[in-house]
Amino acid sequence: DQQVKQNSPSLSVQEGRISILNCDYTNSMFDYFLWYKKYPAEGPTFLISISSIKDKNEDGRFTVFLNKSAKHLSLHIVPSQPGDSAVYFCAASVGSSNTGKLIFGQGTTLQVKP
Amino acid sequence: DTAVSQTPKYLVTQMGNDKSIKCEQNLGHDTMYWYKQDSKKFLKIMFSYNNKELIINETVPNRFSPKSPDKAHLNLHINSLELGDSAVYFCASSPGTGIVETQYFGPGTRLLVL
Repeated sequence: DQQVKQNSPSLSVQEGRISILNCDYTNSMFDYFLWYKKYPAEGPTFLISISSIKDKNEDGRFTVFLNKSAKHLSLHIVPSQPGDSAVYFCAASVGSSNTGKLIFGQGTTLQVKP
Repeated sequence: DTAVSQTPKYLVTQMGNDKSIKCEQNLGHDTMYWYKQDSKKFLKIMFSYNNKELIINETVPNRFSPKSPDKAHLNLHINSLELGDSAVYFCASSPGTGIVETQYFGPGTRLLVL
């Protein structure tokens, strides 16, 4: 039973255009969401997060949108750069558990073409 | 200077063997984790320790046993290895277990059981 899903295994965009990565979740108890980025042969690195009390969080070229009613979040990268080519993982947490437990999706591979 | 390191990076072994994967963090964090990335690419939490105390223990076979000799180390010992144990294992650490804490991942250990 996968509580966090990224239904697009891959995405290819042109440099300078917008990349939109999507993530769906099923557990309404999740109240904190994160995106991690992973390069080959490296571990995931934290990118951006959002609390369930917000519907948008922005950090430079990266913006995460949260739609609680649809149990959906998305990561927008504008403008996309070749260095953004990586696997992007969505993750969710139940904050009240205070265990640090993260539930990850299976990742979306983003390729940004020069 | 590597923040979270894992040894070995690659491990090829026969079914039935016992093996250990070591993890060390030099970030001064209190919490450490083990994740397994299976063939479907989902990153799944296995264990976490906070100040050497077991916090998360997911449904993992008893053949897997974490050992935390101190706050900076969390090793994973696997007995009687099976084909299905083949995966990439990631160690991670965080300052604590609060939801706002980001987790810092090691580069992963690729385990192949033949």
